[in-house]
Amino acid sequence: AQSVTQLDSQVPVFEEAPVELRCNYSSSVSVYLFWYVQYPNQGLQLLLKYLSGSTLVKGINGFEAEFNKSQTSFHLRKPSVHISDTAEYFCALMDSSYKLIFGSGTRLLVRP
Amino acid sequence: GAGVSQSPSNKVTEKGKDVELRCDPISGHTALYWYRQRLGQGLEFLIYFQGNSAPDKSGLPSDRFSAERTGESVSTLTIQRTQQEDSAVYLCASSSVTGLADYNEQFFGPGTRLTVL
Repeated sequence: AQSVTQLDSQVPVFEEAPVELRCNYSSSVSVYLFWYVQYPNQGLQLLLKYLSGSTLVKGINGFEAEFNKSQTSFHLRKPSVHISDTAEYFCALMDSSYKLIFGSGTRLLVRP
Repeated sequence: GAGVSQSPSNKVTEKGKDVELRCDPISGHTALYWYRQRLGQGLEFLIYFQGNSAPDKSGLPSDRFSAERTGESVSTLTIQRTQQEDSAVYLCASSSVTGLADYNEQFFGPGTRLTVL
């Protein structure tokens, strides 16, 4: 069975510091991987996606993620966070039935 | 509007009552998905439609849950005899096509927050 694990339920970080949100997946077949962001009281928004090709993918708002097949990881990074990055971040994979399988989410809390 | 819309935004109901949640996908999107987000948890897939057909209902948690789609547009998720564990945010998403060979982004609506007392 395919699954996604987000190891940290909450990550506190100071403004302008770098951040990494961890995501590991389990799948016996090739996958498409995604990061979504959910700002308070808003819907889900796609941050970035890995479909194929370069393992380093860049998304909106200065975020990037690296697909690592050997470690079955797709960690999200940003070199310098802002207060406005405070949100819930979800890692997901798309299975062969086209549905998204989500991790449990990581709450990024950026402090001044 | 250009996005996915859902109604109502909030629904409070009593245990045992039936509820209907509505999703209006982006015009022209043939694929429609329902997900559920319980407090402190990730999103769980419920069902997906391709046109008006539902080839994958594997995520529906019980026979109290059903969904339909008409006119390749609006979809309704119905929960009968609601239970407290049904309390969650129900999210709808749509995309223009399905298929890993021709990926198209799923666009999410704002969700319906269901509270069962």
